[in-house]
Amino acid sequence: ELKVEQNPLFLSMQEGKNYTIYCNYSTTSDRLYWYRQDPGKSLESLFVLLSNGAVKQEGRLMASLDTKARLSTLHITAAVHDLSATYFCAVDNRETSGSRLTFGEGTQLTVNP
Amino acid sequence: DTGVSQNPRHKITKRGQNVTFRCDPISEHNRLYWYRQTLGQGPEFLTYFQNEAQLEKSRLLSDRFSAERPKGSFSTLEIQRTEQGDSAMYLCASSRTRGTEAFFGQGTRLTVV
Repeated sequence: ELKVEQNPLFLSMQEGKNYTIYCNYSTTSDRLYWYRQDPGKSLESLFVLLSNGAVKQEGRLMASLDTKARLSTLHITAAVHDLSATYFCAVDNRETSGSRLTFGEGTQLTVNP
Repeated sequence: DTGVSQNPRHKITKRGQNVTFRCDPISEHNRLYWYRQTLGQGPEFLTYFQNEAQLEKSRLLSDRFSAERPKGSFSTLEIQRTEQGDSAMYLCASSRTRGTEAFFGQGTRLTVV
């Protein structure tokens, strides 16, 4: 059974600081997704990482994928309050025909002034 | 708006009642997924359709749950004899093909009292 673990689960940081969220998964996969969720809202797609070594950046967020280590990172640069949200990584389960996503527990990020 | 649409957005029901949710996917997307999300957790896969065929169901989908996608367009998720443990956000997502990005709807928040 595919397991996806994120850490930390809770992150409180000051504006202007940098930090990294980690996503580990337990079985072979070469597709990993990062989503953002605001309280009471649905999931907004941030990044789709489709191969080993993939790196994508959008604004203050950068995501990378190491399929050999089964690890993805979401790096936050010079955080601002608007980034406060819960961030989920999700892995495409290649063991099933439907390619359903298995999600991590989420990292609740709070950026303080 | 060409995104994934879900109705209703909120539903409060008494224990033992039946409820039905609707999802309208992005029009050219063949694949449709249902997920359930409880407070503080990541979404959990329930079931998936390719066109009108329901190809995979999670163990989470008990006999009280049924999903349909007639004609491969919109989908409905019905919960019979609701229980308090069914209270959650029910999310629908669609994607064009296997392994492509899944886009989520706004979700239906179910509260069973």
